[in-house]
Amino acid sequence: AQKVTQAQTEISVVEKEDVTLDCVYETRDTTYYLFWYKQPPSGELVFLIRRNSFDEQNEISGRYSWNFQKSTSSFNFTITASQVVDSAVYFCALSPLNSGNTPLVFGKGTRLSVIA
Amino acid sequence: DAGVTQSPTHLIKTRGQQVTLRCSPKSGHDTVSWYQQALGQGPQFIFQYYEEEERQRGNFPDRFSGHQFPNYSSELNVNALLLGDSALYLCASSLGTGGGQPQHFGDGTRLSIL
Repeated sequence: AQKVTQAQTEISVVEKEDVTLDCVYETRDTTYYLFWYKQPPSGELVFLIRRNSFDEQNEISGRYSWNFQKSTSSFNFTITASQVVDSAVYFCALSPLNSGNTPLVFGKGTRLSVIA
Repeated sequence: DAGVTQSPTHLIKTRGQQVTLRCSPKSGHDTVSWYQQALGQGPQFIFQYYEEEERQRGNFPDRFSGHQFPNYSSELNVNALLLGDSALYLCASSLGTGGGQPQHFGDGTRLSIL
């Protein structure tokens, strides 16, 4: 079975604070992709990053960084110096390649509120 | 470069009715997937269309059906609507059906069942 768990339902931070969103996944597939999407109030899911299961290198893009640890089945997302525009719901998603019949399996999301 | 467009934006129906939602994929994309997102939940995969055929399907009843046209646009049809069908319906497009392809999403259609 494929599953993504985002234990943090809601997080509230003050602007300029750093914040980490947790994601833990379950899959029996040896080959898979992991994704993060941002959903602002408009509803559109905005693609942020994709990692494959063979690449555990951490990645940084501006104020965003991602920590992929296969040993703990985690793919955490950190926003440095948060801004009000970062307020949104963030989804972690899994795409298994060996089995299963769903292109993307999503977690329930973490609602991030950044307060000015 | 046009992104994924969905219509209508909002829709209100009553139980037992039928509804059709529409999606135009991002330019250059040939695969369309549909997701249902209930309030406070993550999107759930309904089905995927490629080359005008349903290629994969999630755990949804036959009341949910779809179609893909030669220009890659797609429709989602839901028959015999239930209160539980109230949700945001998201369309996503990608190039090919590979599981690792980033999917680009539209703004969704918010369906309310009274």
